[in-house]
Amino acid sequence: QKEVEQNSGPLSVPEGAIASLNCTYSDRGSQSFFWYRQYSGKSPELIMFIYSNGDKEDGRFTAQLNKASQYVSLLIRDSQPSDSATYLCAVIRLVFGAGTILRVKS
Amino acid sequence: GAVVSQHPSRVICKSGTSVKIECRSLDFQATTMFWYRQFPKQSLMLMATSNEGSKATYEQGVEKDKFLINHASLTLSTLTVTSAHPEDSSFYICSATRRDRRHEQYFGPGTRLTVT
Repeated sequence: QKEVEQNSGPLSVPEGAIASLNCTYSDRGSQSFFWYRQYSGKSPELIMFIYSNGDKEDGRFTAQLNKASQYVSLLIRDSQPSDSATYLCAVIRLVFGAGTILRVKS
Repeated sequence: GAVVSQHPSRVICKSGTSVKIECRSLDFQATTMFWYRQFPKQSLMLMATSNEGSKATYEQGVEKDKFLINHASLTLSTLTVTSAHPEDSSFYICSATRRDRRHEQYFGPGTRLTVT
């Protein structure tokens, strides 16, 4: 089992919709969780991090953490074509999932 | 703040030669720098972790004699790919953590290495 798992996608959503990206992790001791966005040919950029169970909101982005179920998700409200990218979930020690390709249709 | 640069952004070299990639934190002191490698359509894989003034810690399967890492100062780390081969062609990305925000990593723009 991979330490961090994501559906590779692509996940297609219409413009303006909510994109929901999910990530599961295997190490119950994981304490910090990060969502990175990576455009093609570019390096990752940090979108959000979350440490505690529950939701954390920042603009159009909401990170959700459920440690009991060992998953973390990222919601993108009002999705825009510019949100089209690969979204990487990472846990402390930064073990990356393979990424989910998001394509927002205009 | 928290800008990380890499140089060069792209490099093409012949098989058997060595290539040096620089990673600099421009506006902060980086307590730790990380080197990643990313092959096409794959995720980032951590190669090594380096702390200023000490030897780098390499991940399992990464040859330390082939990928030489020098972390000479709190703002500069270098990765030298020695005797490069075509299979070393990849996207090399460095990242750095700040002393006051150890859990946040700031990534450089990456270096595309092509070995012919």
